[in-house]
Amino acid sequence: SQQGEEDPQALSIQEGENATMNCSYKTSINNLQWYRQNSGRGLVHLILIRSNEREKHSGRLRVTLDTSKKSSSLLITASRAADTASYFCALGTGANSKLTFGKGITLSVRP
Amino acid sequence: DAGVIQSPRHEVTEMGQEVTLRCKPISGHNSLFWYRQTMMRGLELLIYFNNNVPIDDSGMPEDRFSAKMPNASFSTLKIQPSEPRDSAVYFCASSYTGGNNQPQHFGDGTRLSIL
Repeated sequence: SQQGEEDPQALSIQEGENATMNCSYKTSINNLQWYRQNSGRGLVHLILIRSNEREKHSGRLRVTLDTSKKSSSLLITASRAADTASYFCALGTGANSKLTFGKGITLSVRP
Repeated sequence: DAGVIQSPRHEVTEMGQEVTLRCKPISGHNSLFWYRQTMMRGLELLIYFNNNVPIDDSGMPEDRFSAKMPNASFSTLKIQPSEPRDSAVYFCASSYTGGNNQPQHFGDGTRLSIL
């Protein structure tokens, strides 16, 4: 399968804690992307990391990529109730436009 | 700037009826994607267009589904005849593609219920 597999499937934390979500994959990639989906809305792009990059930051988000282990992690620091959403990793595997999305992680941040 | 616009937001219809979903991509984007999302199967790519040309329709479940992109600012996904198992949320997304999997911008979807 060219699909990324996210772990855990669900995560519940207290506001202010950090949230770590993982994505593992089996194929070669050009880049890996993380998206957020709030209930009843479309997916929103968060961050893209290329296969030759190891770490990227965007505000409270930190993404790492280990191509030797074929895995990525998304860290949200100092979580807020508004971070409650589903998070998806998406694999860019070739010169075409397609992305392959995983099944997502449900994050609940308790106030 | 306006994002990807989908219509209708909700559609409830009886099985056997024709359903047409509409999408207006972000101006300047040259790739357009149709996805279906269900609890059981997650997010599935149905078809995508590049410069208005269908590139990969291998995700279209069966001949009852068809998609068109007559110009750069409009696309439709049609189901005829519709069946209860088609009930899902259908998303349209667009991106500007230089060839290497650029970020996609999603609409808020059409929630389709087939009775």
